[in-house]
Amino acid sequence: GAVVSQHPSRVICKSGTSVKIECRSLDFQATTMFWYRQFPKQSLMLMATSNEGSKATYEQGVEKDKFLINHASLTLSTLTVTSAHPEDSSFYICSARPQGSRYEQYFGPGTRLTVT
Amino acid sequence: AQSVTQLDSQVPVFEEAPVELRCNYSSSVSVYLFWYVQYPNQGLQLLLKYLSGSTLVKGINGFEAEFNKSQTSFHLRKPSVHISDTAEYFCAVSAPSGSASKIIFGSGTRLSIRP
Repeated sequence: GAVVSQHPSRVICKSGTSVKIECRSLDFQATTMFWYRQFPKQSLMLMATSNEGSKATYEQGVEKDKFLINHASLTLSTLTVTSAHPEDSSFYICSARPQGSRYEQYFGPGTRLTVT
Repeated sequence: AQSVTQLDSQVPVFEEAPVELRCNYSSSVSVYLFWYVQYPNQGLQLLLKYLSGSTLVKGINGFEAEFNKSQTSFHLRKPSVHISDTAEYFCAVSAPSGSASKIIFGSGTRLSIRP
């Protein structure tokens, strides 16, 4: 089946620093990738949609300058949390849509970010 | 725009009992519907999906769901649950609008199985 990986699985960083999270589709090409944020015991909130080779589309209320998304290839998207603060601590999950699909999304295992 | 409501935040059931997790959606266009399961500290796994055709959809792990257009519902059922079914379950909706169609999630239902 289609596999999506995320790296790192857990990261702890100091307030004010930046952290990059990678999302890779391992056995398929993904034109579109999605980034979600999940607070404890809550649902997944879509942050942005990224398309390979173009700028990401951010959901309302998501700061594009704080959450930088790059989708440089058909198998890799990155999310960089810039100048992280404790309130950015969360579980970040990416998903990838196979090229040519209209609805499929395969989810990564998530990255737990803790900002101290 | 689409939205989805999961009416129960928590559902406790005894092992081997049947369970139904409720989901209602709202959309002005036809939709795709999904149920995902999330185990602690993990990503999401697709249980089943409704795209078109038969309204009764069978998924993995013995789960099934029925699409009811008149009631705008997509309830998830399992006739006999197991301890290993303890997890968070998310109902989700997507409108078929090309490769950029987004999946919107409900608030989730925590299924806890008692021995």
